[in-house]
Amino acid sequence: EDQVTQSPEALRLQEGESSSLNCSYTVSGLRGLFWYRQDPGKGPEFLFTLYSAGEEKEKERLKATLTKKESFLHITAPKPEDSATYLCAVHDSGAGSYQLTFGKGTKLSVIP
Amino acid sequence: GAVVSQHPSRVICKSGTSVKIECRSLDFQATTMFWYRQFPKQSLMLMATSNEGSKATYEQGVEKDKFLINHASLTLSTLTVTSAHPEDSSFYICSARTAQETQYFGPGTRLLVL
Repeated sequence: EDQVTQSPEALRLQEGESSSLNCSYTVSGLRGLFWYRQDPGKGPEFLFTLYSAGEEKEKERLKATLTKKESFLHITAPKPEDSATYLCAVHDSGAGSYQLTFGKGTKLSVIP
Repeated sequence: GAVVSQHPSRVICKSGTSVKIECRSLDFQATTMFWYRQFPKQSLMLMATSNEGSKATYEQGVEKDKFLINHASLTLSTLTVTSAHPEDSSFYICSARTAQETQYFGPGTRLLVL
């Protein structure tokens, strides 16, 4: 059974204080690992897809990296507008219909 | 990025009535769409996979007669909550899968059943 574990559950940062969010996963074969951002009362917003170990992707203050067992979402010099819940999801090549398995998310709060 | 819309954004209905939620992919075609349910402070729970032109696949524990899904075209899937009850109150979110296998999500529909 696929498992996705995100840590920490919640993270409070001062504005400008860089940190990382972790996503550990267990799949039979990784077809893709996805990062989403979700604001309260809204649907998840797509951020990145990573396909193989060693891959990295960046967007503004965010950088996602991938190993064979986990992914990190690095946030550099965060701003208050980066406050949101960040969700990690995996697509297992053994799963049908392109289903994603989601972690429970990390709620990030950036304090001015 | 790809855009997915949902309508309505929020709905309040009386117990026993049916509610239809529409999910549209606005700038791409999606042979596969997904319906999720999200409870407060919890992650997304997959309810069903909707495939264009065929029957939806429901996850274990989801009543297919209560949550009717129709994927009549490559840009539209609908979820109908039949005979809604207060326990069906939740945040319903759809997603559409692109050819590159990325799921883009709609903004969600808040359902409140009185």
